[in-house]
Amino acid sequence: ETGVTQTPRHLVMGMTNKKSLKCEQHLGHNAMYWYKQSAKKPLELMFVYSLEERVENNSVPSRFSPECPNSSHLFLHLHTLQPEDSALYLCASSQERQLGDTQYFGPGTRLTVL
Amino acid sequence: RKEVEQDPGPFNVPEGATVAFNCTYSNSASQSFFWYRQDCRKEPKLLMSVYSSGNEDGRFTAQLNRASQYISLLIRDSKLSDSATYLCVVWVQAGTALIFGKGTTLSVSS
Repeated sequence: ETGVTQTPRHLVMGMTNKKSLKCEQHLGHNAMYWYKQSAKKPLELMFVYSLEERVENNSVPSRFSPECPNSSHLFLHLHTLQPEDSALYLCASSQERQLGDTQYFGPGTRLTVL
Repeated sequence: RKEVEQDPGPFNVPEGATVAFNCTYSNSASQSFFWYRQDCRKEPKLLMSVYSSGNEDGRFTAQLNRASQYISLLIRDSKLSDSATYLCVVWVQAGTALIFGKGTTLSVSS
């Protein structure tokens, strides 16, 4: 299935590096999301974009910076991360944000911060 | 109280067994409910929505009890391929995002 793609699939970075995660959805959806999934914790919503406008930011540290240039693409820019930021970062999309629509997830980027 | 709570398990059952998972949610205004499935090292995928009258999809039955604020998932005749983590998901109202539980892990063995 290639509805939502993410690159890279795996990323190892040092605390002083700057990197970006990319997400692309081919489903014609209007809403896109970034989630963080750590071991033994529920999925944590980080950012929500609806029609390219950021509508929700769940108190995420500024070392994570999202960008949504159009409704099909979503980026997560990373800088000066901490080891506790190591996790699986999942991108998702849905038809509309406000209707509780089914979310379609990408395969995720497994991030390790050394 | 957590917004969505699930027993993390793991539930270890033999093939052919029937297994049930429960989930409780804290916000009585919640409107929509879902079960997602997440295979090991893969992304979550929608398994089924949960309707007030209860609904069935093959070997899977989902039920909702609004008075007690819990949702259940019953899997009959378990298969090896059912081994996964099952995520309980709740949507409260327009303008908010889905809320995911931590998930319940199921391991089916031969």
